[in-house]
Parts: sequence; C-alpha cells; structure tokens
Amino acid sequence: DIQLTQSPSSLSASVGDRVTLTCRASQNIGGHLNWYQQRPGKVPRLLIYGTSTLQSGVPARFSGSGSGTDYGLTISNLQPEDFATYYCQQTFTTLSMTFGLGTRLEIK
Amino acid sequence: QVQLQESGPGLVRPSQTLSLTCNVSGGSISSGGYYWSWIRQSPGEGLQWLGYMSPSGTTYYNPSLKSRLTMSLDASKNQFSLSLTSVTAADTAFFYCARMATGYRKYYFDYWGQGALVTVSS
Repeated sequence: DIQLTQSPSSLSASVGDRVTLTCRASQNIGGHLNWYQQRPGKVPRLLIYGTSTLQSGVPARFSGSGSGTDYGLTISNLQPEDFATYYCQQTFTTLSMTFGLGTRLEIK
Repeated sequence: QVQLQESGPGLVRPSQTLSLTCNVSGGSISSGGYYWSWIRQSPGEGLQWLGYMSPSGTTYYNPSLKSRLTMSLDASKNQFSLSLTSVTAADTAFFYCARMATGYRKYYFDYWGQGALVTVSS
C-alpha cells in the first residue's frame, strides 16, 4: 500500500492566520491526492481533489498544491469554522486507496 | 442534492456478520460516472477505505479485508449494502457510505452519509 504521512499531526493557529498542512506519499502518486475536512462529530467533507481543484462550495481561502510525493493544503485567513481535522487521500492506486492519519488544527 | 443514509444494527456480536445498507436519494445509483463506496473510521482514529461498486455491480475491495467483505447493490431500491463477516472488537467503527465521483482519472468522495456506529461486543 502507498503510505501517506501528514505533518504536523497537530497545529495551533489563530483566526486570520495562514497555515499549510503537508502530506507526503511513500511513492509518486502523480497528483492523485484529495483533501477532506472533518469537524468534531461531523462527517468528512471534500475540500480539494486532484491536488488543486476546489470542490464546489468550498471557500477560496482553501488551496492545494504539490506533485510527485509531496503535497500541501493551504488555508489563508483562518476562520473559526476551519478548526478541524484534515485528511489527505491518495487515489493513484484505485484498488488500494489510502488516507493519511490526519492533521488536527486547533485554535491557539 | 444527493443524500445517503446508512442503516443497520448498532451492535454485533463477535464472530457474527455486520450488515449495513445505504439508501441513496436525490440521484440514481445507476448513473454513470459514480461508484458507490464504504469507508470506516474507528472511534478517534483515521479513515479506512473498504471498497466500492460500479453501477453494474462490479466490486472492488480493500485487499486487507477482501476475504471478509461483500458488497451489493439494488438498483430497484436505489440502495447498496455491505457485509463484513467474522467481526471482532477491532471492527468497531463508524461506517460511512459515500459516492465516489470519477472522471478524467480523478476519483474522490463527494457525498457522504451521516455514518453508522457499529459496536462489536458480546
């Protein structure tokens, strides 16, 4: 299986900050990387697919980047509702999709 | 607006079979361009993809669970189902059904059910 390592595992930030979460794959995944947000007690929500395509309805302060094995999710101008856990997912191997363990974004 | 809703027992005895159904509304599971999926999340843990089905019923399972998993769909009821055999406490989790969009070789889960907590305990 392709392993996804997310860093940091947790992060404290303030409203209005800009943060970047990272996801590193154990091999080249060719841009087949998605990001999900999960608020406490809620269902995961798709934010970005295919490295950088913003899902409909997701605020433009979210952006994705990367290639090869290294990917990032940047959130600009953090809002109170952005404090959540973020997961990356690779779909390079569609018969063995995997998720990272998540980055928990907390209010400082 | 597509909506998915899981249903099934919340408690399963060890060694028994876990069975869940996902009812889809606001769209047909026979529509092209989408696969129908199951994902689980152990309490306080990360996400694990279990498998997905094409509208024609072709199944694709997580290799680590393949021997215990069966998925099926009923187009007449617009629903699909999951069975996981020989469960243990390690299978206790929230089970989510989700729609997986496909296109231009991009795959992503764009709609999710609310999740069903299944506890394995005697």
